[in-house]
This record gives sequence, structure tokens and C-alpha cells, in this order.
Amino acid sequence: DQQVKQNSPSLSVQEGRISILNCDYTNSMFDYFLWYKKYPAEGPTFLISISSIKDKNEDGRFTVFLNKSAKHLSLHIVPSQPGDSAVYFCAASGSGSNYKLTFGKGTLLTVNP
Amino acid sequence: KAGVTQTPRYLIKTRGQQVTLSCSPISGHRSVSWYQQTPGQGLQFLFEYFSETQRNKGNFPGRFSGRQFSNSRSEMNVSTLELGDSALYLCASSLVAAGGANTGELFFGEGSRLTVL
Repeated sequence: DQQVKQNSPSLSVQEGRISILNCDYTNSMFDYFLWYKKYPAEGPTFLISISSIKDKNEDGRFTVFLNKSAKHLSLHIVPSQPGDSAVYFCAASGSGSNYKLTFGKGTLLTVNP
Repeated sequence: KAGVTQTPRYLIKTRGQQVTLSCSPISGHRSVSWYQQTPGQGLQFLFEYFSETQRNKGNFPGRFSGRQFSNSRSEMNVSTLELGDSALYLCASSLVAAGGANTGELFFGEGSRLTVL
């Protein structure tokens, strides 16, 4: 029962263009969403988050959009840089019994120079 | 400030053996979570400890166990190892208990890569 789904295992983008990573969730009790980035041989690092009371959160080149009715969120990276090449994990959390962070399987982003 | 430290970084075991992994959280962090990362399954939650108490446990068999000490350091143990236990085991610490809109940022260690032969 995969509650957080990242259906694209990989994505390849040209440097300077926009990268869009998608994430879907099934648990309507999730109310907080995060994106983590992971380089090989390193632990994941927090990138950006969004609460369910918002539909957009922006931090520099990174913007996360949340569509609660569709249970869908996306991470936009503009402009993409080669250093952004990494695995991106979407994670979700809720209250009560859903409070623990549930991660998707990740999407490998490759930004080509 | 020192990050999350996991030891050992790499280890090789054989089926049937048991293994103990250690995690030292960031100073002042009281929550420690453990995750298993495999290529096909991504990051799967094992358990979370807060102030020496297990707050939540993922869907793993009883062979996987953990504990947290009074200094917030945590250990996880896997007994009767199976080939499928080969994975990267990640520990993450946070200032507050992870969950909901109060979820603090999780700080991950570099992981312990376990290979079971």
C-alpha cells in the first residue's frame, strides 16, 4: 500500500530549462509535504516543504505546488543546473496515526550541461 | 555543529547473523528515526524514537528492533539476517518529534550500507 507515489523513476532535463518532479498521495489525512534531495553516498537533505493550508511555496529556484483536490504535488526547479542532478524524494505527514513521514520511491533527476 | 553520525558506514554479514547499527543525532535533537533504502522500494520507515520511547513502527518483521538511550543515541538491531536485508540504513534526527505540520526538518546521516551474503 504505497501512500506516496512518484511515478517517474527518472527525468532528464537540459541545463537552464525547467525541471518538474511530480508526486501523488492517497491518504487524505496527510497535511504536510516535503521534498528531500539525495546525492550518491550521502544522506537525504531537506529541500522545501508545504503545508496543506497553502497551494504554493517558493524558495529561490525551487517552488512546490500543492493541489489538494487532486492529491498531487509538484516540485519545479527553474533554471535547472547540473548540480541539481540527484534523487528527489517526496514525503508526506499527517496528524494522529499518520504523523510519521512517508516517502515516495524517488525520482532521479539528471540535468545535462 | 556536528551532523548525524552513523556507524559503521559499511559492513558485510552472512545469512543468519545479526547486526547492530548505531546513530548519534545532532546535539539537542531528541527524535531519531530509522529508514531502510533499497533501489526498488525507496525510503521505508522502520521506527522512530523520542525521549527513549518508540513512537511509531513501520511494517517490518520483529527481527528489526531498536532502542534509544538517555543521551538520544540510538541503535537498531537486525537478527537472523536474510539476503533481502541488504540495504542502506539511514538514521535521521530532528529537534521535535516528526509528524504533521509540526514536523521539524529531518537531518539524515550518511547511512550504514549493509550487505548480506
